[in-house]
Amino acid sequence: DAKTTQPPSMDCAEGRAANLPCNHSTISGNEYVYWYRQIHSQGPQYIIHGLKNNETNEMASLIITEDRKSSTLILPHATLRDTAVYYCIVRPSGSARQLTFGSGTQLTVLP
Amino acid sequence: GAVVSQHPSWVICKSGTSVKIECRSLDFQATTMFWYRQFPKQSLMLMATSNEGSKATYEQGVEKDKFLINHASLTLSTLTVTSAHPEDSSFYICSARTSGEDEQFFGPGTRLTVL
Repeated sequence: DAKTTQPPSMDCAEGRAANLPCNHSTISGNEYVYWYRQIHSQGPQYIIHGLKNNETNEMASLIITEDRKSSTLILPHATLRDTAVYYCIVRPSGSARQLTFGSGTQLTVLP
Repeated sequence: GAVVSQHPSWVICKSGTSVKIECRSLDFQATTMFWYRQFPKQSLMLMATSNEGSKATYEQGVEKDKFLINHASLTLSTLTVTSAHPEDSSFYICSARTSGEDEQFFGPGTRLTVL
């Protein structure tokens, strides 16, 4: 699976949009970009995934660059409960394999 | 989304004893379950992958005789930490997926403390 690079930490003001970047310059054509988050002392939670088109759901939006070498997860109106470690993972669709977690980005939403 | 539970949520045991952690898929059939371990301030590390009815596949460096995994049904997998030592203290997390689906669903984790 392609390697991903994320900033170790970010702060965001409550109510503002949180934009979390991820670089995946070695991504292959059949690999999807997945985002999970882990609130302290809990299991990871699925957020969103995409291949090349931008995706949006009730939690977040995923913007993937045209060359697919990077992506941005957007939390449109961050709340204190969004404070968590956010993981960007690249993996082929249909893979029965495990998810490989990197170090992620610690997002702290400030009041 | 689908729900995965773990039991217990936390456990404290004495060194040398064995501890069993259960992972259940509550509303779907989990053909594959994964067991992860997470030390403080570190990321999740995969320990093993288990397919229902088959022996688990362990990652390099994980002792299969120490971390016994059973996946005897489509809704239950167990991880038994045998002869636990303080260095086994960690946060153990399972995830589950069903055949044909990409998404994995994670349990809430089990905090193991070995005294």
